[in-house]
Amino acid sequence: DGGITQSPKYLFRKEGQNVTLSCEQNLNHDAMYWYRQDPGQGLRLIYYSQIVNDFQKGDIAEGYSVSREKKESFPLTVTSAQKNPTAFYLCASSSGEPTDTQYFGPGTRLTVL
Amino acid sequence: RKEVEQDPGPFNVPEGATVAFNCTYSNSASQSFFWYRQDCRKEPKLLMSVYSSGNEDGRFTAQLNRASQYISLLIRDSKLSDSATYLCVVNIITGGTSYGKLTFGQGTILTVHP
Repeated sequence: DGGITQSPKYLFRKEGQNVTLSCEQNLNHDAMYWYRQDPGQGLRLIYYSQIVNDFQKGDIAEGYSVSREKKESFPLTVTSAQKNPTAFYLCASSSGEPTDTQYFGPGTRLTVL
Repeated sequence: RKEVEQDPGPFNVPEGATVAFNCTYSNSASQSFFWYRQDCRKEPKLLMSVYSSGNEDGRFTAQLNRASQYISLLIRDSKLSDSATYLCVVNIITGGTSYGKLTFGQGTILTVHP
């Protein structure tokens, strides 16, 4: 089946630790995105990548890092510098055409203990 | 002012009712428009794109008014399964790039009861 997968579904982290969230897609999409969603709020863009080996900061990139070594994969690292990392993290992909919509993975719910 | 604004609701309606959601956007450079549906603790899923001429998909009708920078979603004959959060989404092509940035409203909560 074609789609976007994210792992793990739930993640618990101690303060001061870095964690990496996985995102894989087999839709042959060029563009991939990471969003964060907090309760009662809309999605906010963390990072995006329009092509392999290139990525750009979104609106709230501080405390996060990404890589795009393969077309299918766009992992997100939440570093200890992120002051309030507890949130629902959503990965998305699209064809890369400017007017195209995006399709989302099932999300990872990160809780910092 | 938020780039995309929605009435957060919640809207509580009986089965069979007709309900309408509204959304306004502030950036006149917005290029494309969508409604997404998000169930509790799940990912957003595309419900429908919104075109200037208006478009319909079964019980759902979407309208776009570019002059007023206003988008609407009408749901007829509501079902229990329509209960969800509905996200208004606007795609803005950033200047000098081919990248379309999606901006999300905070969502409108709909609960359909028996």
